[in-house]
Amino acid sequence: AQKITQTQPGMFVQEKEAVTLDCTYDTSDQSYGLFWYKQPSSGEMIFLIYQGSYDEQNATEGRYSLNFQKARKSANLVISASQLGDSAMYFCAMSEDQGGKLIFGQGTELSVKP
Amino acid sequence: DAGVTQSPTHLIKTRGQQVTLRCSPKSGHDTVSWYQQALGQGPQFIFQYYEEEERQRGNFPDRFSGHQFPNYSSELNVNALLLGDSALYLCASSFTGTRNTEAFFGQGTRLTVV
Repeated sequence: AQKITQTQPGMFVQEKEAVTLDCTYDTSDQSYGLFWYKQPSSGEMIFLIYQGSYDEQNATEGRYSLNFQKARKSANLVISASQLGDSAMYFCAMSEDQGGKLIFGQGTELSVKP
Repeated sequence: DAGVTQSPTHLIKTRGQQVTLRCSPKSGHDTVSWYQQALGQGPQFIFQYYEEEERQRGNFPDRFSGHQFPNYSSELNVNALLLGDSALYLCASSFTGTRNTEAFFGQGTRLTVV
């Protein structure tokens, strides 16, 4: 069965510092995609970054990068130069088929301190 | 260009009642997925609609049903409401064949069952 585990319920980071949010996954499929979403208090899920299981390079999108370690089945999100607006819930998710259902983790609440 | 629109934003229902939630997808999108997000949890996939048919379903009872209209908008119906159905219900739209990176989420409908 597919599963996403986020072991950090809450994280604090000082403004302008980098922070790593942990995510491990479990799947028996060889082809899958890993996603990170940000959920502000308004509720909508905002897509941040994607990593395909066959991608050899770690994904990068602006201040977001994904540290993909396939053998360890981990897909940690790194946010560089944290901003106050980064305070939100962050969810790691997985999909085993293109455009199909997403399996989400429990989320990590990130608080950025001034 | 309006994104994904969900209505209503908030709803209070009594146990045993029935509820209908609505979702208008982003312009150009033809696929709608529904998720249930209980407080403090990650979203859980309910089902996905494409071409007015349920294409994929998560582990939810038959009390949860849906519909997609010719204009691609969608409804989620929940019968015989239970207290445990209280949650944020998220709708995501996408264009078929594209990755979930192209999916957009609405702000959700917060359902409270009393």
